[in-house]
Amino acid sequence: LAKTTQPISMDSYEGQEVNITCSHNNIATNDYITWYQQFPSQGPRFIIQGYKTKVTNEVASLFIPADRKSSTLSLPRVSLSDTAVYYCLVGALNTNAGKSTFGDGTTLTVKP
Amino acid sequence: SAVISQKPSRDICQRGTSLTIQCQVDSQVTMMFWYRQQPGQSLTLIATANQGSEATYESGFVIDKFPISRPNLTFSTLTVSNMSPEDSSIYLCSVRYQETQYFGPGTRLLVL
Repeated sequence: LAKTTQPISMDSYEGQEVNITCSHNNIATNDYITWYQQFPSQGPRFIIQGYKTKVTNEVASLFIPADRKSSTLSLPRVSLSDTAVYYCLVGALNTNAGKSTFGDGTTLTVKP
Repeated sequence: SAVISQKPSRDICQRGTSLTIQCQVDSQVTMMFWYRQQPGQSLTLIATANQGSEATYESGFVIDKFPISRPNLTFSTLTVSNMSPEDSSIYLCSVRYQETQYFGPGTRLLVL
């Protein structure tokens, strides 16, 4: 299983770009990387998913270097409402979830 | 995306009793999962419930304590049996839909 490591916490200010990195040194060939956002008392919400290089959607970008041993979630121009816990999940898409590994999460605090 | 609902959203139970949590998905999915999330912690997979087969439990979780039903492609239940205060946690249903894993809102359980 790919073990994932994330910073425990990060602070930012409104309007700044935030980059959260997840390390997954033993990622397998079939593994994808997925990022989730979780607010208190809610389930994780899907943000973005990728396999390699760069993926962008309407809320975030995901950068994955060629060796795929890490990934960086980039949130452009954060607001107070982006204060949440962010998790990376590494695992293959067509197998049991037990083969996937959740990180411990990064608590992002956005300050005014 | 897949929209997942859970019932109940929260409950307070007495030790020694059992609680059944329901999970409903708006799309047919083969792979459904149950997670536990203790306060301030990441998500821990309890079991995988694929329709038409017995649930597969992760290390540390047993069927007698967490029986699961999966009667069709849109529904599953998780029962927390003979509860103790240590079972106080958030229980989350999750599905894999179109190569992405989605999560329900969670059921917050407090055992007294």
